[in-house]
Amino acid sequence: GAVVSQHPSRVICKSGTSVKIECRSLDFQATTMFWYRQFPKQSLMLMATSNEGSKATYEQGVEKDKFLINHASLTLSTLTVTSAHPEDSSFYICSARDRLNLYEQYFGPGTRLTVT
Amino acid sequence: RKEVEQDPGPFNVPEGATVAFNCTYSNSASQSFFWYRQDCRKEPKLLMSVYSSGNEDGRFTAQLNRASQYISLLIRDSKLSDSATYLCVATVGSSNTGKLIFGQGTTLQVKP
Repeated sequence: GAVVSQHPSRVICKSGTSVKIECRSLDFQATTMFWYRQFPKQSLMLMATSNEGSKATYEQGVEKDKFLINHASLTLSTLTVTSAHPEDSSFYICSARDRLNLYEQYFGPGTRLTVT
Repeated sequence: RKEVEQDPGPFNVPEGATVAFNCTYSNSASQSFFWYRQDCRKEPKLLMSVYSSGNEDGRFTAQLNRASQYISLLIRDSKLSDSATYLCVATVGSSNTGKLIFGQGTTLQVKP
């Protein structure tokens, strides 16, 4: 099946610093990637939809200047959490939609961010 | 009101039991529905799609009632390995451009 990787899997950073998370589709081309955030015992919340070569579409309440998304190629999207605060600590998961099979999304393994 | 609502549980059942999860969605325009399984601290994995006519995959049966905006998942002969959180998902927008909206999840613990 299609594989999506995320890097890093776990990161601890100090408050005020920025953290970049990479999402890669390893064996398919993804025109669209999605970024989700999940707090403990809560649902996955969609943060933004990222289309290759264009600006990301952010969900209501998600600050686009704080969560910078770049989708520069058909296999890579990055999420940068700028000026991170402890309340940004969460599980960040990306998913990718196959260009050749638009009905399925494949999820990455997630990145656990802890801001101290 | 949440777009997709589930009873968070937990459901504690013995091995071999049959357990049913329910889910309701608020957007009547939602077209596609899924059940995902999520293990602790892992990403969600697609369990099965849900079709209007109902569908079965081994011990798992999914049902959709569009009139009531209600989705269900039935697990027969529960195994210890079925212990996980089950996420109900509805799409918003078309199948090829839409978004997945996740419910909070229902936690299942299967005990020996």
